[in-house]
Amino acid sequence: GAVVSQHPSRVICKSGTSVKIECRSLDFQATTMFWYRQFPKKSLMLMATSNEGSKATYEQGVEKDKFLINHASLTLSTLTVTSAHPEDSSFYICSAREGAGTEAFFGQGTRLTVV
Amino acid sequence: GQQLNQSPQSMFIQEGEDVSMNCTSSSIFNTWLWYKQDPGEGPVLLIALYKAGELTSNGRLTAQFGITRKDSFLNISASIPSDVGIYFCAGQLGYSGGGADGLTFGKGTHLIIQP
Repeated sequence: GAVVSQHPSRVICKSGTSVKIECRSLDFQATTMFWYRQFPKKSLMLMATSNEGSKATYEQGVEKDKFLINHASLTLSTLTVTSAHPEDSSFYICSAREGAGTEAFFGQGTRLTVV
Repeated sequence: GQQLNQSPQSMFIQEGEDVSMNCTSSSIFNTWLWYKQDPGEGPVLLIALYKAGELTSNGRLTAQFGITRKDSFLNISASIPSDVGIYFCAGQLGYSGGGADGLTFGKGTHLIIQP
């Protein structure tokens, strides 16, 4: 299957700082990328959907000013957690697909720990 | 929003036994997907189902898309140690165009195999 690479795989940051997570589609052009959040031993929860060149669509309850999503190219989307707090510590996972109706492939996830 | 009820939450089985898990929804999905997630990794797609009533196999795995579009099951035959992990069902509405169709995940089934 297609490869989606997420970077970094782990990051530790101090409270109040911002962290950027990258999601890249390596062998296809991703018109749509999705960002999920997963708490320990819990399910994945969709945070937002981003289409290349457009503003991201956020799910209810997700603060768009806190979780900034940029999808500036067909192979890269970034999620920036601004002014991070310990409660933002979580596993963040992206997925990417080529077009509507095609399979979305997941990245390997990013473990964020805010201290 | 939609919710997926996945059961069982966990399973303790002997190697060689068959496994069955299922998901039900309060609303209709147009696509059902089954994923396996290993610790610290993103989910990996096992089987995708696109038509009501569809029965699909992938090696020792078999999954079916319920006729009502509100449920799906996954069976694993003759379990082996590497089957250990967390299995998630996911539903997708699959809007045409737009791209606002991220996945809704079940809460997962934690499969533990005793040798």
